[in-house]
Amino acid sequence: QKEVEQNSGPLSVPEGAIASLNCTYSDRGSQSFFWYRQYSGKSPELIMSIYSNGDKEDGRFTAQLNKASQYVSLLIRDSQPSDSATYLCAVPGSGNTGKLIFGQGTTLQVKP
Amino acid sequence: DGGITQSPKYLFRKEGQNVTLSCEQNLNHDAMYWYRQDPGQGLRLIYYSQIVNDFQKGDIAEGYSVSREKKESFPLTVTSAQKNPTAFYLCASSIWGQDYGYTFGSGTRLTVV
Repeated sequence: QKEVEQNSGPLSVPEGAIASLNCTYSDRGSQSFFWYRQYSGKSPELIMSIYSNGDKEDGRFTAQLNKASQYVSLLIRDSQPSDSATYLCAVPGSGNTGKLIFGQGTTLQVKP
Repeated sequence: DGGITQSPKYLFRKEGQNVTLSCEQNLNHDAMYWYRQDPGQGLRLIYYSQIVNDFQKGDIAEGYSVSREKKESFPLTVTSAQKNPTAFYLCASSIWGQDYGYTFGSGTRLTVV
């Protein structure tokens, strides 16, 4: 069983819409969660981190965490074509190793 | 400016050759990591190091080797034992602990010719 799962997509939304990206994880003990954005051919860039249940907002981005249901989501409001990228969810691996386990990523396409 | 530098950006390897990918950081991070990414897939951990002169195997360490002689440097050698090395290699670093995300380098794209 995969430890972090994401729908690979592509998820296609019109410009200005809300894009909703979801991630589920298997380790109930996970305490921190990260969203990375990766443009084609580039390296991942950290865009959000969340540690507590509920919502965390940063500009057009909102991360939502539900530990009871073991999912974390990323909402992008007022989606722009420049948001078109692959979004990777990451969760710490077991043990205090500092390792991150990455999902396979969801590709988002924002159409003008 | 602080960051992670990977070199080269593109690397071509002949069959049977060993090649070394460079990773240098000036963020004063304790932990460093090597991941491999294949097209359409997520990142898979090759090796990681929490402190100087110590490193551990990740999920796909076979055919790879690393060293950590300096805090700033964590080179990865792709040996001839790695039968399918064509991939995008990413180096990352972080403050030690579970609550910090990674900073990634710009990556090295390795192709077997």
